[in-house]
Amino acid sequence: DIVLTQSPGTLSLSPGERATLSCRASQSVTNSYLAWYQQKPGQAPRLLIYGASSRATGIPDRFSGSGSGTDFTLIISRLEPEDFAVYYCQHYGSTIFTFGPGTKVDIK
Amino acid sequence: QVQLVESGGDLVKPGGSMRLSCEASGFTFSDYYMSWIRQAPGKGLEWVSYISNSGSSMYYADSVKNRFTISRDNAKNSLYLQMNSLSAEDTAVYYCARRTGSSRAFDIWGQGTMVTVSS
Repeated sequence: DIVLTQSPGTLSLSPGERATLSCRASQSVTNSYLAWYQQKPGQAPRLLIYGASSRATGIPDRFSGSGSGTDFTLIISRLEPEDFAVYYCQHYGSTIFTFGPGTKVDIK
Repeated sequence: QVQLVESGGDLVKPGGSMRLSCEASGFTFSDYYMSWIRQAPGKGLEWVSYISNSGSSMYYADSVKNRFTISRDNAKNSLYLQMNSLSAEDTAVYYCARRTGSSRAFDIWGQGTMVTVSS
């Protein structure tokens, strides 16, 4: 089974800064099936990016996804106060869904 | 609006059983694959199971295989998760989620229901 690794575990930044989050797969995966989610405390996750680079409905353009093969990146171009949260990558393959362990973006 | 509402979570003793429900509204439920995803306290997300739109195909994570059963009633716009032989490791918030078609992502999530397994 594919294992997703996310780095860093925690990212401490200030509002207005750029956040770069990494998701690495243990083997090459299908770009079409790589997604990113945001989760705030006490809330359900929210889909941000699907197909590695397509923004979900209503997601601001400061969020962007890229990557292929085994390495994927979520970039938040300028952090807004509401962006401080935990971010998960997720992959689908061979009838199984896999989530990464998450990256927490907190306020420096 | 498009919405998923879970129910049925509670405190249950180890070895016990529980059935979770998820009621959908605001979209054509029978068009979509649906899934259960859980999150243990302070931990990350773990996919549990999914079911095809017709209910004819079901898949499970190894951690719940042969103990959990996913089902749906399209006439009632409802998704279910029957959980048997529960252990402390099953303690989590359980979310139902709608799976998109082509991208295999989860675009709509419920608010979650808490299952606590403890004596």
